[in-house]
Amino acid sequence: DSGVTQTPKHLITATGQRVTLRCSPRSGDLSVYWYQQSLDQGLQFLIQYYNGEERAKGNILERFSAQQFPDLHSELNLSSLELGDSALYFCASSARTGGYGYTFGSGTRLTVV
Amino acid sequence: SQQGEEDPQALSIQEGENATMNCSYKTSINNLQWYRQNSGRGLVHLILIRSNEREKHSGRLRVTLDTSKKSSSLLITASRAADTASYFCATEETSGSRLTFGEGTQLTVNP
Repeated sequence: DSGVTQTPKHLITATGQRVTLRCSPRSGDLSVYWYQQSLDQGLQFLIQYYNGEERAKGNILERFSAQQFPDLHSELNLSSLELGDSALYFCASSARTGGYGYTFGSGTRLTVV
Repeated sequence: SQQGEEDPQALSIQEGENATMNCSYKTSINNLQWYRQNSGRGLVHLILIRSNEREKHSGRLRVTLDTSKKSSSLLITASRAADTASYFCATEETSGSRLTFGEGTQLTVNP
């Protein structure tokens, strides 16, 4: 157990649907990062939150959104799902923003059918 | 976009041998990190080397960093079957705090 909790572990949904992925960071970590891992794109950075505020944005589609709550857990919302959104979605946390290694969760495997 | 490029893409060795993986990157960095990923699982942080460091050790791992060549290497000594995994380098650019990952090296250690 890395200390970063992601739920659910697996998700199968139909095209056009909306899903929410949840992440609880390691205790004491203020930064949360979301990454998408697919076979053809590798690990792609989506978005970072630090202590409740959006800090950096990467290759995140407009159909995707995220937020970090006062208790520091984060949610990634994916809407109007397409087949190409099928991937592993990882959440990671770090103590601060910059200069620290990340602790990754075990991921959510999303399959869009 | 990928910042780091790893070489080789795949490496197969016998138990007890050393494994060397290389990473090249394009921009100025604050630090470079190496991660391991077992199939379909979360990434595990192995080691972080800062831009003003040239070499770092952790157990059987040795990492070097050459900022003039924008490259790094990860050496795993006396490999074990349990070292079989994908290894990723990741760079923290000076322009931002998030990590950009390379495409990884798939290491297979045969017993």
